[in-house]
Amino acid sequence: AQSVTQLDSQVPVFEEAPVELRCNYSSSVSVYLFWYVQYPNQGLQLLLKYLSGSTLVKGINGFEAEFNKSQTSFHLRKPSVHISDTAEYFCAVTTPPNTGTASKLTFGTGTRLQVTL
Amino acid sequence: ETGVTQTPRHLVMGMTNKKSLKCEQHLGHNAMYWYKQSAKKPLELMFVYSLEERVENNSVPSRFSPECPNSSHLFLHLHTLQPEDSALYLCASSQDWLVGDEQFFGPGTRLTVL
Repeated sequence: AQSVTQLDSQVPVFEEAPVELRCNYSSSVSVYLFWYVQYPNQGLQLLLKYLSGSTLVKGINGFEAEFNKSQTSFHLRKPSVHISDTAEYFCAVTTPPNTGTASKLTFGTGTRLQVTL
Repeated sequence: ETGVTQTPRHLVMGMTNKKSLKCEQHLGHNAMYWYKQSAKKPLELMFVYSLEERVENNSVPSRFSPECPNSSHLFLHLHTLQPEDSALYLCASSQDWLVGDEQFFGPGTRLTVL
């Protein structure tokens, strides 16, 4: 079975400062990894995804994430945040097809990014 | 309408009421999902439908009854709910539930059970 750990439930940061949201996963097979964002009173929106290829993935709104297989991590980063980035961020993992397991999307508990002036 | 839509956006119901949540996807996807999102807990997958057939049911109480009349529509029928069922209910869709690619989410229905 696969699992996702987001150790930080809340991350406060000042506007224009850099931020890193941590995500670690556990899986016995290869993985696909995702970061979703949820703004207040809205559903989840995909920020970026890693399926294969380059380990540095760029997404929308200036976010990027790096897949590190040896550390089983997929941390999300942004060099300079804005007030509008205040939201809940979810890391998720699933398995590619033909790995012998069902491709169920497993989510972490989320990290609340609070950007202030 | 584009993407995944859900109605109603907010719902307040008593424990003896019967209500339904509706989800519609305009993406031509084959798989649809119901999730429950409660405060401080991970998203809980409730049901998965693939080509109108239920393929996953994660030990959800029978007071929640899904229905998928076609690949574009998904319903969640609710009856005799409990206060702990209050949550945000999210619908999602994807091209194929076996592929493991991204899911597209609706805005959710905020359910309050009194």
